[in-house]
Amino acid sequence: EPEVTQTPSHQVTQMGQEVILRCVPISNHLYFYWYRQILGQKVEFLVSFYNNEISEKSEIFDDQFSVERPDGSNFTLKIRSTKLEDSAMYFCASMGSSPSGEKLFFGSGTQLSVL
Amino acid sequence: AQSVTQPDIHITVSEGASLELRCNYSYGATPYLFWYVQSPGQGLQLLLKYFSGDTLVQGIKGFEAEFKRSQSSFNLRKPSVHWSDAAEYFCAVASRGNQAGTALIFGKGTTLSVSS
Repeated sequence: EPEVTQTPSHQVTQMGQEVILRCVPISNHLYFYWYRQILGQKVEFLVSFYNNEISEKSEIFDDQFSVERPDGSNFTLKIRSTKLEDSAMYFCASMGSSPSGEKLFFGSGTQLSVL
Repeated sequence: AQSVTQPDIHITVSEGASLELRCNYSYGATPYLFWYVQSPGQGLQLLLKYFSGDTLVQGIKGFEAEFKRSQSSFNLRKPSVHWSDAAEYFCAVASRGNQAGTALIFGKGTTLSVSS
């Protein structure tokens, strides 16, 4: 089965630093997502991306966050100035089209720890 | 707004016993519903999904779920639990139905422990 790949698996950073989380979605997929999961809490939607622009974003996705698809394969989430509360597992996901046609594939996540 | 409620935070079931995990949703139109499982240190794996038709949906690993519109529920069931089923289970609803690129709204999850 195809996979969504996320790197790194763990990242530790100092508060106020910028981090970039990287994802390689499945190659023929068109829709890309970032979710996060704070320890002990539910998986929360951050942003969806289609046709080189954000199609939907949640209240969590404020000006500190940005996403980019710099080339044909990578999809990145940047946090400009990390805060302690940004510590979470961040999941990338991709989908080919609509959920009735295909499923949402998730990566294994990047554990971000902000110190 | 769309939302998903999983009333049970943690459930413990004996190996071989039956399992039912509850999920209630709030959605204005026809919901598109999902159950995902997350094992420790792993990503989310789709167990099953419901879009229309038969309200009893079969999934992987012997799981099934029943959509009940009158109760706004989509409970996950398994007749006989195995120790390897211990994991976190998430119910989700598509935020924009079957629209391409829809996001999923997740419940808070239910942790399943299996005792021997």
